[in-house]
Amino acid sequence: EAQVTQNPRYLITVTGKKLTVTCSQNMNHEYMSWYRQDPGLGLRQIYYSMNVEVTDKGDVPEGYKVSRKEKRNFPLILESPSPNQTSLYFCASSPSTATNEKLFFGSGTQLSVL
Amino acid sequence: GIQVEQSPPDLILQEGANSTLRCNFSDSVNNLQWFHQNPWGQLINLFYIPSGTKQNGRLSATTVATERYSLLYISSSQTTDSGVYFCAGDLNFGNEKLTFGTGTRLTIIP
Repeated sequence: EAQVTQNPRYLITVTGKKLTVTCSQNMNHEYMSWYRQDPGLGLRQIYYSMNVEVTDKGDVPEGYKVSRKEKRNFPLILESPSPNQTSLYFCASSPSTATNEKLFFGSGTQLSVL
Repeated sequence: GIQVEQSPPDLILQEGANSTLRCNFSDSVNNLQWFHQNPWGQLINLFYIPSGTKQNGRLSATTVATERYSLLYISSSQTTDSGVYFCAGDLNFGNEKLTFGTGTRLTIIP
């Protein structure tokens, strides 16, 4: 089944403790991205990747890191999480590098930073 | 970047009713898409519709790119249609990021 898989689904952590949210897609998509969703602010892009070893900042990249060593994986890293990073996170992928052609989302990761 | 306005922000309907959701853009857009976020938070791509009209069962969408708007029609609503509907698009410049509207929250009452 074609899908974008995120883990974990829920995560509670404390300020300053490094964490990684994994994202994997099995559709051979070139484009992958991370979004965070907050009440009243909608979905905002954190980082995106057009292809392996190519990543770029979105709207709200501060406090986040990403890597794209393989086509299928695009982990989101919070080196030193803070409470303002408490949010619902989504990974997404798309078949095209040139444009945002039909975006497919993972199931989301609800992160709470205490 | 572009501004995306969705209307109405909230909509409560009886099961069986029809509805029209609207998305307005501040500039001409590319790659316009509609998403449904169900009550469990999952985001599903409903339509990729840069222009024209598409139908999928009880749902259909129309985009008039030159007039900077898109419409999502839901007919014979069911309780499973409840959730938040988002539209998103980008400018015609290739790597421009996708911008999302703030959504329309639809509640279908049995």
